[in-house]
This record gives sequence, C-alpha cells and structure tokens, in this order.
Amino acid sequence: AQSVSQHNHHVILSEAASLELGCNYSYGGTVNLFWYVQYPGQHLQLLLKYFSGDPLVKGIKGFEAEFIKSKFSFNLRKPSVQWSDTAEYFCAVRPLSGGYNKLIFGAGTRLAVHP
Amino acid sequence: DSGVTQTPKHLITATGQRVTLRCSPRSGDLSVYWYQQSLDQGLQFLIHYYNGEERAKGNILERFSAQQFPDLHSELNLSSLELGDSALYFCASSVDVDQPQHFGDGTRLSIL
Repeated sequence: AQSVSQHNHHVILSEAASLELGCNYSYGGTVNLFWYVQYPGQHLQLLLKYFSGDPLVKGIKGFEAEFIKSKFSFNLRKPSVQWSDTAEYFCAVRPLSGGYNKLIFGAGTRLAVHP
Repeated sequence: DSGVTQTPKHLITATGQRVTLRCSPRSGDLSVYWYQQSLDQGLQFLIHYYNGEERAKGNILERFSAQQFPDLHSELNLSSLELGDSALYFCASSVDVDQPQHFGDGTRLSIL
C-alpha cells in the first residue's frame, strides 16, 4: 500500500538551530511531492513542492527540500529556525497514476522552537 | 487566507444524527477534495470532485456522501454519525488535478 513516513513525531529546537525533517514514501511510480505546514489554529499551507527537474527545491520562509529518488525521500531543511516556525509539518505524496487525484499524507511532525 | 471557505467552523451533534459540511473553493478552482484528520488515522483523503463530477474515492464510509454543485461549491454529508466520526474535516481546491491543493480552515466535528 502507498504510504508516507515521517520519522520524527516531535522535534524541539532552539532558535537559530538547523532543522531537518525526514520523509520517506513507498510508491514505485512517479510522484509529486509536497510539504505543508499547519500553524496552531490555522489551515494547511503549502511550503514547497517538487514535480520534476532540479531535485533541490526552495519554498517559502527559507525552507528547502531535496528529493532523492533512490532513497524515496523528500527531506525538509531550514538552516536557522525561528520561534515563528513552531507548527506541525506534513509531507505529502501524490502518485501520478489514477489521475492526480489524491494526496497521501504522513503523520506529521510537531516542531517547537524555543527562543 | 487560502481562499477556500469552509462552514461551519465547529459542529457539535449527537450519535445517529446527520450533518452537512460546506466548502467554497478558491475562485477559478475546478477541483475540490475532502480530507478527514483524526488523531488515530491522521490526514486521510475522502473524495475528489472535478467540475461537478466525482473523480476518485478514498477511505470514505458509505454513510458519507458528497457532491459538487454547478457553482463549484461542495457539500460533504455525514449520516448515522458515530463517536469515531469526530474529526477535523478539510476541504481543498485546485485549479486543475495536476496543480497544488489549497486547504480551507476545516470544520471541527464533535460527536457527543
């Protein structure tokens, strides 16, 4: 079955620390990849996406992610986090078979950044 | 503000009841998706409509149904509600099926 694994359920960092959140998926075909962020009490917002081309993609708010096809991974990174990055982060995969119909989400990673 | 509007924001009801959740997509978006977010199942895809037609079903129970109207708004109908249906229900929309999805604020459904 298609699935998305986010390795860390909770991450606690101090401001200015570097961040890397892991995401692996199980699907043998071509996929689109996404990272969404959900700030407390708010809707899911798209951070960045990968469709094709350069496997290193840059998103909003200084986030970037690298697609490593051989590892079925799409890890999210930020060199220096801020208190305002406190949120829940979701990795999502969209298999390109079946007409682009659905996103398969990971369980999410709760990030807490302390000043 | 994502441009996707969901109403109501909160809904409290009892077991056995029926509720309707409403979603207005972003202007110009033809695709509407429904997702359920619960503590034990995470974010699960329920159903997808494109320009009024059902395109795909995910883990949607037979007690649940949805439709997309000519003005492109969508409704998710949940009937014979059970305690386990308590969750956050998100609507998302996209211009077309190959474009990123933009999410609404969700409707929090509590079954007592």
